[in-house]
Amino acid sequence: RKEVEQDPGPFNVPEGATVAFNCTYSNSASQSFFWYRQDCRKEPKLLMSVYSSGNEDGRFTAQLNRASQYISLLIRDSKLSDSATYLCAVFSTGGGNKLTFGTGTQLKVEL
Amino acid sequence: NAGVTQTPKFQVLKTGQSMTLQCAQDMNHNSMYWYRQDPGMGLRLIYYSASEGTTDKGEVPNGYNVSRLNKREFSLRLESAAPSQTSVYFCASTVQGRAFFGQGTRLTVV
Repeated sequence: RKEVEQDPGPFNVPEGATVAFNCTYSNSASQSFFWYRQDCRKEPKLLMSVYSSGNEDGRFTAQLNRASQYISLLIRDSKLSDSATYLCAVFSTGGGNKLTFGTGTQLKVEL
Repeated sequence: NAGVTQTPKFQVLKTGQSMTLQCAQDMNHNSMYWYRQDPGMGLRLIYYSASEGTTDKGEVPNGYNVSRLNKREFSLRLESAAPSQTSVYFCASTVQGRAFFGQGTRLTVV
């Protein structure tokens, strides 16, 4: 079983839609969680950290469920510019500061 | 602000050739990482270094070696390149999991 799993998509949604991505992780000792955005042929960039209490940044909301070992990302009022691949990442200091990524979920926002 | 600098950006190798991918960061981060990215596979961890002087294997270390030369630099070496190593390679440095990536090296092995 992969350490971090995501549905690869693609998710094709109309502009203005709400879309949610989930990500599961296997290491219960993981400490920190993140969502990254990657545009085509570019390097990934940090979108937001994910906190246990949930956190919001504009149209983006991230949630963490430690009991079920999954994190989620909700995008409201999708824009064309949101089209990208979204990768979840899990950080653990056990074994020396290991940062593991999921395979990424591709989002295409259409007119 | 340079951030994370990777060289080269593009490289074509013949099977059996060797090369070193260079990575340097100017953010004073302790941890550095090498990933490879193939279509549909996401970012797979090759090697990582929690701090100067330490390195650990990731998910796909076979065929690679690394050197954490100092706090700034973390290089990845392919001793005998194989077509299966054709990929995009990303270096990253992090502070508590918040990663900053280089622009990537597109490597083709023929």
